[in-house]
Amino acid sequence: SSELTQDPAVSVALGQTVRITCQGDSLRSYYASWYQQKPGQAPVLVIYSKNNRPSGIPDRFSGSSSGTTASLTITGAQAEDEADYYCNSRDSSPYRVVFGGGTKLTVL
Amino acid sequence: QLQLQESGPGLVKPSETLSLACSVSGGSFSTTGHYWAWIRQPPGKGLEWIGSFYYNGTTYYNPPLRSRVFISVDTSKNHFFLKLSSVTAADTAVYYCAEGTGSGSNFNSWGQGTLVTVSS
Repeated sequence: SSELTQDPAVSVALGQTVRITCQGDSLRSYYASWYQQKPGQAPVLVIYSKNNRPSGIPDRFSGSSSGTTASLTITGAQAEDEADYYCNSRDSSPYRVVFGGGTKLTVL
Repeated sequence: QLQLQESGPGLVKPSETLSLACSVSGGSFSTTGHYWAWIRQPPGKGLEWIGSFYYNGTTYYNPPLRSRVFISVDTSKNHFFLKLSSVTAADTAVYYCAEGTGSGSNFNSWGQGTLVTVSS
């Protein structure tokens, strides 16, 4: 079972803004990273270290964090953003990496 | 441009050992700050971290899998490896190798993944 909790599914109208959240105790100490995964493909890192985007990721993707909750916001969602989104973070006692259960984003 | 590619048997019998290799091009295992990992995803389910090794040789494993997992590296061939022993049907998954930098959970580059089915 995941120790980072995500809503299983979220929907957004085309062009609107959506926020996907991730909750867990490890987020008090470590920033979340976010991954986008489309069917049959490997995950792609979209946000790391709270709110940094790898090169090539559109600036409509942003991240934030407060306490035990991290959020991924897509401002002006596009049809191509429809995918599964996973958060993850480090944990330190013992060292491990934990993933959330994933959120299926539907763009209407 | 870093590229990773998994390889290995697609079918493993229950109780046997799953062995996979990850070929790395465009990068070095000894680059400071980098780590290399195995991550899996059962069909229709979420991602699970298996383990990581760092540029300095330190290796970490997911506690529930620690007794069955071994990750090794052959720097001369630019490959790293996963061995998972005593497999059951629950180990059926797409297995990914990945590279990261930073805190330990930023996986920048991923292989395409390889499906391993555990069945007799």
